[in-house]
Amino acid sequence: AQTVTQSQPEMSVQEAETVTLSCTYDTSESDYYLFWYKQPPSRQMILVIRQEAYKQQNATENRFSVNFQKAAKSFSLKISDSQLGDAAMYFCAYRSHDDSGGGADGLTFGKGTHLIIQP
Amino acid sequence: EAQVTQNPRYLITVTGKKLTVTCSQNMNHEYMSWYRQDPGLGLRQIYYSMNVEVTDKGDVPEGYKVSRKEKRNFPLILESPSPNQTSLYFCASSFSPKRSPLHFGNGTRLTVT
Repeated sequence: AQTVTQSQPEMSVQEAETVTLSCTYDTSESDYYLFWYKQPPSRQMILVIRQEAYKQQNATENRFSVNFQKAAKSFSLKISDSQLGDAAMYFCAYRSHDDSGGGADGLTFGKGTHLIIQP
Repeated sequence: EAQVTQNPRYLITVTGKKLTVTCSQNMNHEYMSWYRQDPGLGLRQIYYSMNVEVTDKGDVPEGYKVSRKEKRNFPLILESPSPNQTSLYFCASSFSPKRSPLHFGNGTRLTVT
């Protein structure tokens, strides 16, 4: 079974600075998807960024980028020019690429990192 | 607007009183799923559905039921709620089980006293 570990329960960063949230995962599969979801106080789960394991290029979405290290099974999220609206819980998630057979969607979440933005 | 709609957003009930949390999506997604979120545990899957009339257990199915009679709706049923089911619940959907991102509803905060 896959596991996702977010080792930082809470992180704090000054507004306009850069912060990196860490995520590691354990899997025996070679093809899979990785996601970062943001959950602001409104509780909504918002997809921030997505990475396909077979793509070597790191995904980027505006101020959000990832450092995907497949061999190390690491998937960190970098937020540049942090803004007050970035304050939220961030969840790293793993999803199997294998559609064959039965089974769940394979979406496994980490326990989350609470990001605080200091004005 | 494409969305997943859950109702209610907040629910307080007593032990043993049956309740249903509704979930509806307007994106013609085949795949739907329920999660519960608890502090320090992240999100855990309760049940999922690959298509109409096809449902299966996730990681924490005990005490829950689901049905998928129509493609757009996937209600979560608690026949006899207990205090350990106090949690934040999310419904989610996607086009395919694994190849496309999940779209989440806004969550239902359930308190069982």
